[in-house]
Amino acid sequence: DAGVIQSPRHEVTEMGQEVTLRCKPISGHNSLFWYRQTMMRGLELLIYFNNNVPIDDSGMPEDRFSAKMPNASFSTLKIQPSEPRDSAVYFCASRIYTGELFFGEGSRLTVL
Amino acid sequence: RKEVEQDPGPFNVPEGATVAFNCTYSNSASQSFFWYRQDCRKEPKLLMSVYSSGNEDGRFTAQLNRASQYISLLIRDSKLSDSATYLCVGSQGNLIFGKGTKLSVKP
Repeated sequence: DAGVIQSPRHEVTEMGQEVTLRCKPISGHNSLFWYRQTMMRGLELLIYFNNNVPIDDSGMPEDRFSAKMPNASFSTLKIQPSEPRDSAVYFCASRIYTGELFFGEGSRLTVL
Repeated sequence: RKEVEQDPGPFNVPEGATVAFNCTYSNSASQSFFWYRQDCRKEPKLLMSVYSSGNEDGRFTAQLNRASQYISLLIRDSKLSDSATYLCVGSQGNLIFGKGTKLSVKP
């Protein structure tokens, strides 16, 4: 069975460019989470959705970040405009109700 | 705000040692807790859930102390393959991770 699928796996971009990260959760899972991980701050929850509805976006750093989940099988995290301090590994994860959280392999973003 | 706090380590222990990690949480409404393991440059994966009565899985034992608001993980007879970062998680709908404790098991 396919796990959580994220793309791109790696992205290098220049400051000011728009970045779009994509996630396909495990089929049947009803909750989706976006995290950002850095050495300094660890794994930070950015936003999570239940049944495609954003429940808590208090972790989104600022207005440059936005996330959508148009249907149960797809979500995007967009950064516009990107800044060097956005460089991190971005993880998408999904689960069904209160079950185990499964992570994708992450998208490693470098903003120059 | 950081709702979940962990000692970042690193913990450097010899093979066969017993090592314990603690994690404190600030949100008393947190309902469920977990330990995740993350290998270098990989995604976190579930190690075990933490139950109020405590639970054991082979060499691993997890405990929850709601009164003092901490959870613990005990690893007995540590192996080289246990080297990783261990993340504790508290949940109240959302899932808030600690920054992780790095463990290095040496021969």
